Amino acid sequence: QKEVEQDPGPLSVPEGAIVSLNCTYSNSAFQYFMWYRQYSRKGPELLMYTYSSGNKEDGRFTAQVDKSSKYISLFIRDSQPSDSATYLCAMSAWGGSYIPTFGRGTSLIVHP
Amino acid sequence: GAVVSQHPSWVICKSGTSVKIECRSLDFQATTMFWYRQFPKQSLMLMATSNEGSKATYEQGVEKDKFLINHASLTLSTLTVTSAHPEDSSFYICSAGGGPGETQYFGPGTRLLVL
Repeated sequence: QKEVEQDPGPLSVPEGAIVSLNCTYSNSAFQYFMWYRQYSRKGPELLMYTYSSGNKEDGRFTAQVDKSSKYISLFIRDSQPSDSATYLCAMSAWGGSYIPTFGRGTSLIVHP
Repeated sequence: GAVVSQHPSWVICKSGTSVKIECRSLDFQATTMFWYRQFPKQSLMLMATSNEGSKATYEQGVEKDKFLINHASLTLSTLTVTSAHPEDSSFYICSAGGGPGETQYFGPGTRLLVL
């Protein structure tokens, strides 16, 4: 079992839909959770950064962390065609190796 | 946010040649930088951690003599793919930051094609 599992998709939704992207993990030491967006042939860019459990909202994006279930989510409201990209979750532990472990990414397609 | 640049953005080379890729942190100093490679539709695979002023730390399975890393200053790390072969063709991405409690900022990536 990989440390971080993420469905690669593709996930295809109509414009305006609410998108739910998810990752599960196995390492209970993970405390920092991140979502990156990667457009084709570009480097990833940081979207959301959360510490421990709870919700964090930034515009149309909401990140949720449920440490008891080892499950994190990214919600995108009112999705736009410009949101079409690959979304990677990443997580790291405090202390020891803080280098994040990445999921394989979910490809999202928002069609007009 | 922090800006990380990479140069070149893409390179095509013949098999057997060496290719150098530069990674720069433009508006901050980075004692640690990271090098990843990414195959199509795959996640980022960490190759090595580059430490300013000391030797890089390579991940298991990554040949250090094949992928030479030099972190000469607090704003520059270079990755040299020596004697490149077609199987080295990939998307190479660097990042900086990522200390405890920090996030990583990624460069735009370098696409390498070895013929």
